[in-house]
Amino acid sequence: GENVEQHPSTLSVQEGDSAVIKCTYSDSASNYFPWYKQELGKGPQLIIDIRSNVGEKKDQRIAVTLNKTAKHFSLHITETQPEDSAVYFCAAKAGTALIFGKGTTLSVSS
Amino acid sequence: DAGITQSPRHKVTETGTPVTLRCHQTENHRYMYWYRQDPGHGLRLIHYSYGVKDTDKGEVSDGYSVSRSKTEDFLLTLESATSSQTSVYFCAISPNTDTQYFGPGTRLTVL
Repeated sequence: GENVEQHPSTLSVQEGDSAVIKCTYSDSASNYFPWYKQELGKGPQLIIDIRSNVGEKKDQRIAVTLNKTAKHFSLHITETQPEDSAVYFCAAKAGTALIFGKGTTLSVSS
Repeated sequence: DAGITQSPRHKVTETGTPVTLRCHQTENHRYMYWYRQDPGHGLRLIHYSYGVKDTDKGEVSDGYSVSRSKTEDFLLTLESATSSQTSVYFCAISPNTDTQYFGPGTRLTVL
């Protein structure tokens, strides 16, 4: 079945720097790749997603890139702010199920 | 949380007792999901529903059952709770099997 690996597990940046989180997936049939942000004590919040027919998608300070050949996709956050501090999860859709990575804890210090 | 509520939000129970968690949505979405979240494992799918009375198993379904008698409600039942089922449980809803929106979660402790 599908397997999603996410790196790094923790990431610390200074306010204003960029942050990049990378995920790889194993099932070449996967065609939908969302990213979620989870704050302490809350449910995961969808922040951006990309489908397999698109290479890049941007939404203000957040962008996602997809390389289908290499089977990896990345989340890019520019001009980080303290409120970006959270756990971020990538996922890949295999059949009817979303398979999640194990998460990246992002800390943005001011 | 996209019109999703979960109840209870916290529960402590004893091994061997039955437990039912409820997910309620106001979005009229067709698809509903139950996940559990554990340290080191991320989010794992327990069961999902693709319509009223239509459900299927996910990756970690053993020890769990579900029911969906109305579009807006999806129930998760632990027939006889075990300590390994101590976890945070999240419900999610989707209009199209792709974009999933999560509820606030239920923290369950089985002693």
